[in-house]
Amino acid sequence: DIQMTQSPSTLSAAVGDRVTITCRASQSIRTWLAWYQQKPGKAPKLLIYKASSLESGVPSRFSGSGSGTEFTLTISSLQPDDFATYYCQQYNSDYTFGQGTKLDLK
Amino acid sequence: QLQLQESGSGLVQPSQTLSLTCAVSGGSISSGAYSWSWIRQPPGKGLEWIGYIYHTGSTYYNPSLESRVTISIDRSKNQFSLKLTSMTAADTAVYYCARGGTAPSHFASWGQGTLVTVSS
Repeated sequence: DIQMTQSPSTLSAAVGDRVTITCRASQSIRTWLAWYQQKPGKAPKLLIYKASSLESGVPSRFSGSGSGTEFTLTISSLQPDDFATYYCQQYNSDYTFGQGTKLDLK
Repeated sequence: QLQLQESGSGLVQPSQTLSLTCAVSGGSISSGAYSWSWIRQPPGKGLEWIGYIYHTGSTYYNPSLESRVTISIDRSKNQFSLKLTSMTAADTAVYYCARGGTAPSHFASWGQGTLVTVSS
């Protein structure tokens, strides 16, 4: 099984901040990585796929990068609507998700 | 616009079988370009993929759940279903259905989720 580890588990930030979340895979997953945003009581929403491709309709302040075993999700300027939990997901071999990063208001 | 809607038993007794259905609207489940998955999330925890099915009926399951899972498809009703046997409290979760591309893939469309509680 490929394990996905996100850091940090919790991130406190302010509106306007630039934030970065990291996801590490236990073995190479090339660029088969997606990022999701989840708000309480809602289904996850796809933000990024294939490590750096922005899903249609997702604001351009979201970006993804990385390959192999290390990946990042960056939000260039936090907006009030961005406070949520973020998950990475690998799909190189089966499907596994990271444990999540909760982004809350500082 | 594609919509997925889960339905089924919200309360399951221990050792019994969970049955859920995902109704698909705004698109055909018979499209060969997509896989149809079930994913779950225990309260306050992360996401776990359960398995997927193609319109052909071909399936693939999470090895950790494979012995208890069956996913089936009903093309005439544009829906697919999940059965999970021998339920325990550890199976209490919100269950989501989702559409992916040709597997393996990310999940671009999700249902709203349905909470399943295992309790006597």
